[in-house]
Amino acid sequence: QSVLTQPPSVSGAPGQRITISCTGTSSNLGTNFDVHWYQQLPGTAPKLLIYNNFIRPSGVPDRFSGSRSGASASLAVTGLQVEDEADYYCQSYDSSLSAWVFGGGTKLTVL
Amino acid sequence: EVQLLESGGDLVQPGRSLRLSCVVSGFIYDDAAMHWVRQAPGKGPEWISGISWDSSIKNYADSVKGRFTISRDNSKNSLFLDLTSLRPEDTATYYCARKRDGCFDHWGRGTPVNVS
Repeated sequence: QSVLTQPPSVSGAPGQRITISCTGTSSNLGTNFDVHWYQQLPGTAPKLLIYNNFIRPSGVPDRFSGSRSGASASLAVTGLQVEDEADYYCQSYDSSLSAWVFGGGTKLTVL
Repeated sequence: EVQLLESGGDLVQPGRSLRLSCVVSGFIYDDAAMHWVRQAPGKGPEWISGISWDSSIKNYADSVKGRFTISRDNSKNSLFLDLTSLRPEDTATYYCARKRDGCFDHWGRGTPVNVS
């Protein structure tokens, strides 16, 4: 059971828009710790996709965007492409655990 | 170009020990907080340990506290993780990662540890 809750899977057709939610608690996202998002392609290490809730690192397409509201956050992907098919994880810090924590992950399938 | 390269992963029996290493290049290592994150087969990432730039602060997840020890050698741009009393549930790919502003902005390719 992950500290941050994500849907196990989402899917969409090429060109469509999807969102992935990440729900926390009062000891992590509810305490205003930032949320970060990672993309993990099959067989590779996670790659930072969004940091500090909505900032894209250099090189990340603007089709990816992050938002935040209270103890929840969302990752949106617009103009879905086949190469977006991957696992996506949210991450934050938990003050009760004194640990950096990840969501359970969401598998994005591009139909 | 930033590079992190882990090594040391192996197949080991329960109760045995292992030392993982990570060599870094492409950024000023002395300034960086470094962490270890593991990922069990088919599971999400799990943070397990972190160390400040000067080794003054070390953090551990409850799952490894007392069994794993993190250290670094800034003269060699290297990060280490000593794993002792290994358990089957420690089986995972172990990644070293640079932490910046609360996130892990650069990761290595990982090194596999199989406890069986």
